[in-house]
Amino acid sequence: DSGVTQTPKHLITATGQRVTLRCSPRSGDLSVYWYQQSLDQGLQFLIQYYNGEERAKGNILERFSAQQFPDLHSELNLSSLELGDSALYFCASSVGIGGKENTEAFFGQGTRLTVV
Amino acid sequence: AQKVTQAQTEISVVEKEDVTLDCVYETRDTTYYLFWYKQPPSGELVFLIRRNSFDEQNEISGRYSWNFQKSTSSFNFTITASQVVDSAVYFCALRRSSGSARQLTFGSGTQLTVLP
Repeated sequence: DSGVTQTPKHLITATGQRVTLRCSPRSGDLSVYWYQQSLDQGLQFLIQYYNGEERAKGNILERFSAQQFPDLHSELNLSSLELGDSALYFCASSVGIGGKENTEAFFGQGTRLTVV
Repeated sequence: AQKVTQAQTEISVVEKEDVTLDCVYETRDTTYYLFWYKQPPSGELVFLIRRNSFDEQNEISGRYSWNFQKSTSSFNFTITASQVVDSAVYFCALRRSSGSARQLTFGSGTQLTVLP
């Protein structure tokens, strides 16, 4: 058990809908990362938050957004869903940035999103 | 830009054989971290090892060993006496050790199948 909790584990929704994926980081971890794993794109970084602030952005679509709350949990919002958004979405957490960010990222079990 | 290449898409071996998974990376950073993750059929990402770029000493953990060669930008992973439970997708990843963007850049993965 990595200590990172993602809910829900599975999600099936229709095209055009909006969903929210939730991530609770390990206790004490300030950084949260979101990744998307799809068959054609592989594992891709979407976005990073550190202590409530956005720190880095990857290949995240404009239809997607994220935030990190004061209790450090994070949510990834996916809207106007398309069939191609079907993927496994991972959240990872690590200690922080600067000299303290020298540990591996711990991954949650992922949320499998199926858009039909 | 950072890039990780895992040229072997699929490898199939018979139980008890040794197998090496190749990983080649590209980065302009002078210091960085390299990782290996395992993704079993259940889908979670399991951390296996982190290697700092200034530590080129090879590492052995049970049946697993890693060969890091900075001169050839390679970080290969060997499983000795493979077992059926080793069947999984293995990802090599790269991460910066400085700056605020500490996300992982993953290779495309190698699907390892160990046959009984």
